[in-house]
Amino acid sequence: QSVLTQPPSVSGAPGQRVTISCTGSSSNIGAGYDVHWYQQLPGTAPKLLIYANSNRPSGVPDRFSGSKSGTSASLAITGLQAEDEADYYCQSYDSSLSAFYVFGTGTKVTVL
Amino acid sequence: QVQLVQSGSELKKPGASVKVSCKASGYTFISYGMNWVRQAPGQGLEWMGWINTNTGNPTYAQGFTGRFVFSLDTSVSTAYLQISSLKAEDTAVYYCARDRGATAEEVHFDLWGRGTLVTVSS
Repeated sequence: QSVLTQPPSVSGAPGQRVTISCTGSSSNIGAGYDVHWYQQLPGTAPKLLIYANSNRPSGVPDRFSGSKSGTSASLAITGLQAEDEADYYCQSYDSSLSAFYVFGTGTKVTVL
Repeated sequence: QVQLVQSGSELKKPGASVKVSCKASGYTFISYGMNWVRQAPGQGLEWMGWINTNTGNPTYAQGFTGRFVFSLDTSVSTAYLQISSLKAEDTAVYYCARDRGATAEEVHFDLWGRGTLVTVSS
């Protein structure tokens, strides 16, 4: 029932750049609401990776960057490393009645 | 340090109830809202709702009304999630997550508990 759509998987070799898209609608990203990104390593809780579209919390490497345009947002990982293998989720506010906050469908990043 | 410590895994029979706790430390509990997020096995994240730690007022997402109750004990900086009349489909990891953001529209979740696995099985 996620209203933010992400590709199920992306992969890349170490050192490469990968991007993950997050497509929403006029009730969330398209309405101008911020997009946030989370990294979930296997067997662990999600961790905030990017907030307010493009801001990194303290301690997050600058290999991670975020952007937003129209009804979509993107997370880029440059210089891909083995420890980046994880699930990634976008999240935004949604003005529909079902939920204030919605997550993306999630993307599994595999480091080849 | 700043953290959310959740209670341990639970195994319950269908029809039973469960209460999951989330104890905050290292920050002023009532200064941040507390959210609950569900993750079914092999599935994505689903926002269940939040509780205003200042007023105790809960807000539930669609699909989480009726059997789900958020509560607080501010004297011990702890939030609770109670689920009644458990069903097999309630089997999931339940996370508490602190929210940040100047406005509701800016909210993101900057601090997460490690999750509590609730298994419902006969």
